[in-house]
Amino acid sequence: DAMVIQNPRYQVTQFGKPVTLSCSQTLNHNVMYWYQQKSSQAPKLLFHYYDKDFNNEADTPDNFQSRRPNTSFCFLDIRSPGLGDAAMYLCATGTVRGQPQHFGDGTRLSIL
Amino acid sequence: ILNVEQSPQSLHVQEGDSTNFTCSFPSSNFYALHWYRWETAKSPEALFVMTLNGDEKKKGRISATLNTKEGYSYLYIKGSQPEDSATYLCAARGYSGAGSYQLTFGKGTKLSVIP
Repeated sequence: DAMVIQNPRYQVTQFGKPVTLSCSQTLNHNVMYWYQQKSSQAPKLLFHYYDKDFNNEADTPDNFQSRRPNTSFCFLDIRSPGLGDAAMYLCATGTVRGQPQHFGDGTRLSIL
Repeated sequence: ILNVEQSPQSLHVQEGDSTNFTCSFPSSNFYALHWYRWETAKSPEALFVMTLNGDEKKKGRISATLNTKEGYSYLYIKGSQPEDSATYLCAARGYSGAGSYQLTFGKGTKLSVIP
């Protein structure tokens, strides 16, 4: 089945230690999104790629960066994680035609 | 950036009860409304995408309506079952010209169905 796969499901890192979350898709969608969801909050869009074009949300901290080396893969890099970055990180794919987004299972990030 | 509100934040219903919850969004600059079901430890699953005022969509026991003039959507679940327990997220897509395909999510309504 075509899917969106996120690895790992759970990630524990130390305060200030860089961490990378990964997402892959077999849907061949143009657009890949990264969302951050904190407890009882709405999923918040961090940034998205439309093909190779990177689109950062205005309020996404500089600490968060992303790479999309090809259509299938997208990475979220957190350069110096703080305690406030502990959250669920969701990757999603989509098209510009308005179809529903397809989500991965998420990576739950904990900061020690 | 749209402001999307969902209510209630959570609710508990008995198995067999029907229930509904609300998503509200700005009626100006509206393009589409998405509903997702998010079960614990799984990925959010798309339920409906609606764009036109008066749209009604149905999937099994779940249905949704859309009022773009007043800026709200209702999600209905008929005869709730324990497997319906999940967080139901709505998300609005605004219109900002060609290539507008970003969603703004609400906080969700967490539904617990008690056997």
